[in-house]
Amino acid sequence: GAGVSQSPRYKVAKRGQDVALRCDPISGHVSLFWYQQALGQGPEFLTYFQNEAQLDKSGLPSDRFFAERPEGSVSTLKIQRTQQEDSAVYLCASSPRTGKGSGNQPQHFGDGTRLSIL
Amino acid sequence: DAKTTQPPSMDCAEGRAANLPCNHSTISGNEYVYWYRQIHSQGPQYIIHGLKNNETNEMASLIITEDRKSSTLILPHATLRDTAVYYCIVRQNTDKLIFGTGTRLQVFP
Repeated sequence: GAGVSQSPRYKVAKRGQDVALRCDPISGHVSLFWYQQALGQGPEFLTYFQNEAQLDKSGLPSDRFFAERPEGSVSTLKIQRTQQEDSAVYLCASSPRTGKGSGNQPQHFGDGTRLSIL
Repeated sequence: DAKTTQPPSMDCAEGRAANLPCNHSTISGNEYVYWYRQIHSQGPQYIIHGLKNNETNEMASLIITEDRKSSTLILPHATLRDTAVYYCIVRQNTDKLIFGTGTRLQVFP
């Protein structure tokens, strides 16, 4: 069965370049999440979508980070004018539902995109 | 969401049970206990979750104390492929997961 798919698996960019990371969630999943994982640390929340609506972007570290999910399925995380501190693994997760009762719904993760900024 | 405390590392012999503890003394009544693991270069993998009762699935068992202030994840017969970082997370209806630094489990032959 298809899980969460992320592409590219690895991305190398020069400082100052823009990058776009793609997430294909599990089909039919309403909720989609982006996390950032620095080396040796646990994942940290970036942003969350319910269908196409971005309901929480409190974890985005700066206005250089932008996420969208225009049709409520595939999502793209864009980072503008990349900096070396943006180097990390970017993880996407999806779950079937949201809101009340969502505490009982596991999130399922992709294997991430490893971003290296030179 | 409540904070969790886990030992930074544990060892387990292959074929033996691995018992991973987690303290969550500030857990509130409607918060679930979740366990994920992360094998090197992969995304976190969901293992199991529970609210009050003990839970078991094909991967593991989750034992939650009666006061819900702590829990234990049990891998009944650890294999080398169970070597990973294990995260214990308490989660309310807020949608995001808050990961700590987890327990690095090393299974040895």
